[in-house]
Amino acid sequence: SQKIEQNSEALNIQEGKTATLTCNYTNYSPAYLQWYRQDPGRGPVFLLLIRENEKEKRKERLKVTFDTTLKQSLFHITASQPADSATYLCALTSSGGSYIPTFGRGTSLIVHP
Amino acid sequence: EAGVTQFPSHSVIEKGQTVTLRCDPISGHDNLYWYRRVMGKEIKFLLHFVKESKQDESGMPNNRFLAERTGGTYSTLKVQPAELEDSGVYFCASSPWTGGWNTGELFFGEGSRLTVL
Repeated sequence: SQKIEQNSEALNIQEGKTATLTCNYTNYSPAYLQWYRQDPGRGPVFLLLIRENEKEKRKERLKVTFDTTLKQSLFHITASQPADSATYLCALTSSGGSYIPTFGRGTSLIVHP
Repeated sequence: EAGVTQFPSHSVIEKGQTVTLRCDPISGHDNLYWYRRVMGKEIKFLLHFVKESKQDESGMPNNRFLAERTGGTYSTLKVQPAELEDSGVYFCASSPWTGGWNTGELFFGEGSRLTVL
């Protein structure tokens, strides 16, 4: 069956360090992968999209990598700040079918001052 | 520009009652999606509208759930009769139609929290 796995344990890091979050998937042929941020009591907010033929995407302090051989995406936040504390969700869209994004459970990031 | 708005933000009902959730997408967005997050689980897809047509309703749990999108604008999701397991946060999202398939981000509302007692 199709699975999207994100680390369920919270990631705790010190301010200024680089946070790295992982999204692994099985039994998907992804067309593209997205990362969203979700704050408590709020809806997810889009951050980045990376296509299957792209290896890396950057936006300001954010970087996403996509390895379709390893079936993994890594999401990096450099020079992290306490304001980056949130839950980060990855969402996969398969090629073929209805192209509906399927979400992982998300990983909570806590940046300590 | 207004974002996706959902109403109510929180609803508490008794088992067996009916609840109707409403979503107003971003103006001009033909794609409208309903998702649900049950406590401790991932956000799960319920259904997808393109304008007023149901494109994909494969995620709807059962026939107690009815979604409509009259005139291709706002959408409602009715749960009748509500059961305990329907509790969760219902998210609506929209995106522009790109002529074939969704190639980009979803714009989410803040969600409607449903508590069934």
